[in-house]
Amino acid sequence: QQQVKQSPQSLIVQKGGISIINCAYENTAFDYFPWYQQFPGKGPALLIAIRPDVSEKKEGRFTISFNKSAKQFSLHIMDSQPGDSATYFCAALWGATNKLIFGTGTLLAVQP
Amino acid sequence: GEEVAQTPKHLVRGEGQKAKLYCAPIKGHSYVFWYQQVLKNEFKFLISFQNENVFDETGMPKERFSAKCLPNSPCSLEIQATKLEDSAVYFCASSQSGGYNYGYTFGSGTRLTVV
Repeated sequence: QQQVKQSPQSLIVQKGGISIINCAYENTAFDYFPWYQQFPGKGPALLIAIRPDVSEKKEGRFTISFNKSAKQFSLHIMDSQPGDSATYFCAALWGATNKLIFGTGTLLAVQP
Repeated sequence: GEEVAQTPKHLVRGEGQKAKLYCAPIKGHSYVFWYQQVLKNEFKFLISFQNENVFDETGMPKERFSAKCLPNSPCSLEIQATKLEDSAVYFCASSQSGGYNYGYTFGSGTRLTVV
């Protein structure tokens, strides 16, 4: 019940294309959903986050779409660039425990 | 500073030896978290602190792992009698308000290799 399922495991996108990564959760107690970007040898860095009372959040080329009834959320990267090549993790925060639960990661490669 | 500082970057220990990892959270952040990242990218929660108090230790293998966050000192994660399966990258993170609005800020990690 505490799992966050993420897909796909890996993704190859052409420069300028749209990258889409999907996540699903079971625990309705989760109340904050961040996305993290991780480059090799670095820690994950917060990219964008959303609360469940909002259906969409956009910051620059990055958009989170949130479907509360389906318990799913996704990250869209518009105009993908080679510099976006990294591993992306969705996550869910359970406020009562203050614990961040991570998805399994998506390795994104943007080809020039 | 505005970064979470983790030391050392790399640590190699023989099986059965002790390993100690350090984390300096961002000043003003009252929450500290430790995660273990294993080969397949999986992040496993270990323990969290609110100031110097343990907040949640449900992920800690208590027989060999211990952690502290004392005032005016870096936080530490110690593994007694390391096993091969402890080989992983250990990340420390800190947050102001428990994660909302600002999320967690992660350090660059300590790569522990047990041989």
